[in-house]
Order: sequence, then structure tokens, then C-alpha cells
Amino acid sequence: EADIYQTPRYLVIGTGKKITLECSQTMGHDKMYWYQQDPGMELHLIHYSYGVNSTEKGDLSSESTVSRIRTEHFPLTLESARPSHTSQYLCASSLTGLEAFFGQGTRLTVV
Amino acid sequence: GQSLEQPSEVTAVEGAIVQINCTYQTSGFYGLSWYQQHDGGAPTFLSYNALDGLEETGRFSSFLSRSDSYGYLLLQELQMKDSASYFCAVSIGDDKIIFGKGTRLHILP
Repeated sequence: EADIYQTPRYLVIGTGKKITLECSQTMGHDKMYWYQQDPGMELHLIHYSYGVNSTEKGDLSSESTVSRIRTEHFPLTLESARPSHTSQYLCASSLTGLEAFFGQGTRLTVV
Repeated sequence: GQSLEQPSEVTAVEGAIVQINCTYQTSGFYGLSWYQQHDGGAPTFLSYNALDGLEETGRFSSFLSRSDSYGYLLLQELQMKDSASYFCAVSIGDDKIIFGKGTRLHILP
């Protein structure tokens, strides 16, 4: 069973606020990912990391940033939230890059 | 760039077998994986193929043909709880995982 945790599960925040979505995994996986998904829609890769101090942007243009200072921790930050950022954010990790284990997601609403 | 194509919806009868196809175009192909997602939930990993052939995991099997850039997920003995969205995903290099648009599976009693 995958052990990957996201907090908060739900967040409602005002426009212009800075927010950080937390993601931690206890499996020692080097590879971690952030996806954005609207209800019933596809998953868009916004950031990924293949190890400590390595991060890459995904295919979806995003105004968020990530950091990877520790293997187990991969937080995502929005410097200034906007209503267009309202979505579900899913964090995942992988040992080999062939299988991804997901956290429960953070449902973000920007008002 | 890369692209994945899978049907948007499939309908099948409880107890039957259903196949969900996925075709892809990408450079640096490393493997194809499959995920299940129930409404309101997170995706859960089902299976992956890095080499050609069939992988079987209980009622679920996954197939890959690298030469045809094609794979499928086979679900046998369908149960009502299998009603969900199913995503194929390609691994590019050994770092990046890109998902298809998903197939909504409807199961009729």
C-alpha cells in the first residue's frame, strides 16, 4: 500500500493569497509529481522531480513553483492565488518511473 | 510532444469482459501504465508494461505492443464496483509520466 500524504484535503482561499500544498511520502521514492485535474477531466502534469534538488516543469503551464529539499517532501506553492487556480491538485511518487502512487489530493477553491 | 488516445466512454454488462484501448505517440517511450479512478477519489495504479506482451493481475490484464504504439487494459468478470474512469499513461525517459484523457466505464446490471 502506498504511503503518500497530502494536506490540506480541502482549501478555500481568497484571491491574491499565497498558499503551499504539502505532499510527503514515506516510501523513499526518488520521483515525485504534481498533477492538476478538474472533475471528470484528464490529469495535467504541472511539475515533477527525479530527486533532491531536481525539479522540472510539466506540460501544463502553471504559475506554481515546487521545491525538493528532502526526498520525502515535495511542496507546491502558489504565490498569488486566482480563481482560475480552482482545481484538484494530486501528488504522486514513483520508484521506477513506470508506476505512480497518488495521495488523496487537495481540492482548492479560490474565491 | 506526446499524445495518447483512448475512447471517452465504454459500456459493458456485469459479468462480461471489456477492453479499453490506448494508442500513443511519443519519443523516449519507457512504458505504459493503467490507473482506475472512482468519482471523487484519487487515481490508483493497476498495471504497467515496459515490454511487449500481456501482464495479468487478477481480473485485470494489460497488453503492450511497442511496434504498434498500442496497448489495452482488459477487465474480466466485470463487477458494478468496476464502474470508474480508466487512464492510460506513458512514461517518458524514466522520470516523466503523462496521462491520457481517460475512459469512463459504465457497467449495466
